[in-house]
Amino acid sequence: QLQLQESGPGLVKPSETLSLTCTVSGGSISSSSYYWGWIRQPPGKGLEWIGSIYYSGSTYYNPSLKSRVTISVDTSKNQFSLKLSSVTAADTAVYYCARFARSPTDAFDIWGQGTMVTVSS
Amino acid sequence: DIQMTQSPSSVSASVGDRVTITCRASQGISSWLAWYQQKPGKAPKLLIYAASSLQSGVPSRFSGSGSGTDFTLTISSLQPEDFATYYCQQANSFPQTFGQGTKVEIK
Repeated sequence: QLQLQESGPGLVKPSETLSLTCTVSGGSISSSSYYWGWIRQPPGKGLEWIGSIYYSGSTYYNPSLKSRVTISVDTSKNQFSLKLSSVTAADTAVYYCARFARSPTDAFDIWGQGTMVTVSS
Repeated sequence: DIQMTQSPSSVSASVGDRVTITCRASQGISSWLAWYQQKPGKAPKLLIYAASSLQSGVPSRFSGSGSGTDFTLTISSLQPEDFATYYCQQANSFPQTFGQGTKVEIK
């Protein structure tokens, strides 16, 4: 059964870069049937799509974050990663990685458990 | 960006009640709509995709309908494990956007 697991620092200083990795187990990231995405959720608030990547490296970013976001994929390690630069307290959130199943599903069907990232000095 | 607006923001209901949640898109999204359930401290779980298709393993008391701009999630007979927050999400175009959530609470 496919599983996703986020990893990375739980505390990041303001103005620094947040870096997270999602490890995919139980299946290959190099499937044409899926995209791989990052979604975040500030404490007590709703869900925000950050961006997604295809195994080939094609990326799609939320315009509200595009200037600060980089998503990359490492097929040899079955991982994809998120970098968010120049963070502020507003970037404090639970960060989820998730698999986006392409047509006919066209939805995030498998999620990681999420990792809390706090931006604070 | 396509804005997704859910109503109500919260609903109080009893076990056995029929609950309906509405999601409206700011522009037409055909049937590119998904519904998720989220319990406190947990990741969202996919319930419905393509507006009305039930994800594998999801109880049949959950159903979705709609197309274009107006969509509905219905829980036909609320069970204790259904108390949670529900989100709609459009996948018609980037950026993918979520509704603000509807919290289903115990009456």
